[in-house]
Amino acid sequence: DAKTTQPPSMDCAEGRAANLPCNHSTISGNEYVYWYRQIHSQGPQYIIHGLKNNETNEMASLIITEDRKSSTLILPHATLRDTAVYYCIVKEHSGNTGKLIFGQGTTLQVKP
Amino acid sequence: EAQVTQNPRYLITVTGKKLTVTCSQNMNHEYMSWYRQDPGLGLRQIYYSMNVEVTDKGDVPEGYKVSRKEKRNFPLILESPSPNQTSLYFCASSSQFSGYTFGSGTRLTVV
Repeated sequence: DAKTTQPPSMDCAEGRAANLPCNHSTISGNEYVYWYRQIHSQGPQYIIHGLKNNETNEMASLIITEDRKSSTLILPHATLRDTAVYYCIVKEHSGNTGKLIFGQGTTLQVKP
Repeated sequence: EAQVTQNPRYLITVTGKKLTVTCSQNMNHEYMSWYRQDPGLGLRQIYYSMNVEVTDKGDVPEGYKVSRKEKRNFPLILESPSPNQTSLYFCASSSQFSGYTFGSGTRLTVV
């Protein structure tokens, strides 16, 4: 079972920041938070990951709470092409399987 | 360009006719994996491989086989496809410390 909880859907106005929350209250010390997105039926796309510090790359920012029980993915200026299902996943950075356990994700609809 | 290439993109076949879906990556990744995606069930892992000649079952391996003779290739084999294997399939690869790169998907229909 997925170890994360996400809202099933969210809307965001084009050009505004999209803030996608994720709860992972049972995360263990060696588990990272990963975010992926899937646009329509394309292959999931890696966005960002982090352990405990906030992270930023060219796609997004990841804010992880100090207790690591929740995180927020921020798309700073959402565009229509950001409409997708966003998955928050916790897993060990390395490990025997490296399996990604996908939950149902959050469907983000960016509106004009 | 770093990518995972799956073929074919679309396939319609008949029950019992053996088929292979190919997967190739050009990033020298050690880890490769197959997932299937079904409505309401999400993405589920079928098989994975930690490196050449090392493969293991994921969550839904029944009816599938894989092989990893070379680092870059990880084909998915359906020896006797059945209609319940109609699904959208994704191959993925990663190194020990990278995010996963997924292929574009193979939509398989078994009639």
